[in-house]
Amino acid sequence: DTEVTQTPKHLVMGMTNKKSLKCEQHMGHRAMYWYKQKAKKPPELMFVYSYEKLSINESVPSRFSPECPNSSLLNLHLHALQPEDSALYLCASSSAGIDIQYFGAGTRLSVL
Amino acid sequence: SQQGEEDPQALSIQEGENATMNCSYKTSINNLQWYRQNSGRGLVHLILIRSNEREKHSGRLRVTLDTSKKSSSLLITASRAADTASYFCATAYTGGFKTIFGAGTRLFVKA
Repeated sequence: DTEVTQTPKHLVMGMTNKKSLKCEQHMGHRAMYWYKQKAKKPPELMFVYSYEKLSINESVPSRFSPECPNSSLLNLHLHALQPEDSALYLCASSSAGIDIQYFGAGTRLSVL
Repeated sequence: SQQGEEDPQALSIQEGENATMNCSYKTSINNLQWYRQNSGRGLVHLILIRSNEREKHSGRLRVTLDTSKKSSSLLITASRAADTASYFCATAYTGGFKTIFGAGTRLFVKA
């Protein structure tokens, strides 16, 4: 099973809402990633977890809060987002930090 | 700045023709990867080439790597309409967890 599952597929939220994005993989991968992608742009790395510990935070605003409850799950908690945060949020996993990454289908987020 | 830059930004070809995309990067790498993304979907890994390799094939894909020029190319032979997608190179450097994506090439294959 080489699948990374992201939920929800679409999310619309107001600037005062709190929501969470979820990501799950069962490949035994120990590295998991969150990316943000705007239209016609490449994915931009937000966070990297390695062995369930946050190893990279690419200076992401605190309104984005990642969490890795166990080796299979990755969450991204959202609070007080801005309209410019509207984007496709992609989760990925890999067996090692610089190995092939397997991506989920993404969550299309719209902030109103 | 991004590790990998790609050209062309967009490419439109007829079905059956070959498509070539180029990627340049700035620092020493451990490996270089190519990914495909269909519109609004997740990325799919195509091929990985390590820094000590010069060429790699996978089906209709051929990737070359020139570490002296810090560049790579992806060739898709006998293209099909289903190859229409965005293609990204991604570079990974030794000792890090980061894979940095290039700007991407949008390929359109006309049937």
